[in-house]
Amino acid sequence: GESVGLHLPTLSVQEGDNSIINCAYSNSASDYFIWYKQESGKGPQFIIDIRSNMDKRQGQRVTVLLNKTVKHLSLQIAATQPGDSAVYFCADAHAGGTSYGKLTFGQGTILTVHP
Amino acid sequence: NAGVTQTPKFRILKIGQSMTLQCTQDMNHNYMYWYRQDPGMGLKLIYYSVGAGITDKGEVPNGYNVSRSTTEDFPLRLELAAPSQTSVYFCASSAYVSGAGEDTQYFGPGTRLTVL
Repeated sequence: GESVGLHLPTLSVQEGDNSIINCAYSNSASDYFIWYKQESGKGPQFIIDIRSNMDKRQGQRVTVLLNKTVKHLSLQIAATQPGDSAVYFCADAHAGGTSYGKLTFGQGTILTVHP
Repeated sequence: NAGVTQTPKFRILKIGQSMTLQCTQDMNHNYMYWYRQDPGMGLKLIYYSVGAGITDKGEVPNGYNVSRSTTEDFPLRLELAAPSQTSVYFCASSAYVSGAGEDTQYFGPGTRLTVL
């Protein structure tokens, strides 16, 4: 079946560095992509989303890039802080109709930020 | 708003026992979802609901049942617990606005279930 996956399961960075977390998706019909952050013992927390008619979207210290040509999604975190340490999941969905809201999650990337 | 709340936080069941995981949201969202998350894995959709009285299966529905009698509540029922159902269960909700495309899913804190 079609799925969303990640290139790297773990990422270690130094505090203050920029982090880049990558994600590959296979469903060409997906038109909505989301990044979630999950801290230990907690539910996923929305970070940022992007729709397929965009290739870049910026939030506070985070940027999501979407390359539909190669079906690749990335999350960039600027000036990474120890509080950014968590598991990061990408998810995709095909908006509209009966598929609305049915997210497909990737495996996750563990981000560890060293002081 | 409390957002999405789940009870209990932890539970240990014996094989064959049954239980209901509770989920409530106070955001007046019409869409609600149940996911399970196995260790080191992403979330998999069990069931979802697009409104009161309407439910549908997700990716891994076997061994579970749901009901949606109100907008706020979306309980998940395990009838005959099996070790394979040991997991962390997350409930989520989202709004739906016609023509606006997807809307953000908000997750509860999770229920950690162990079946022995």
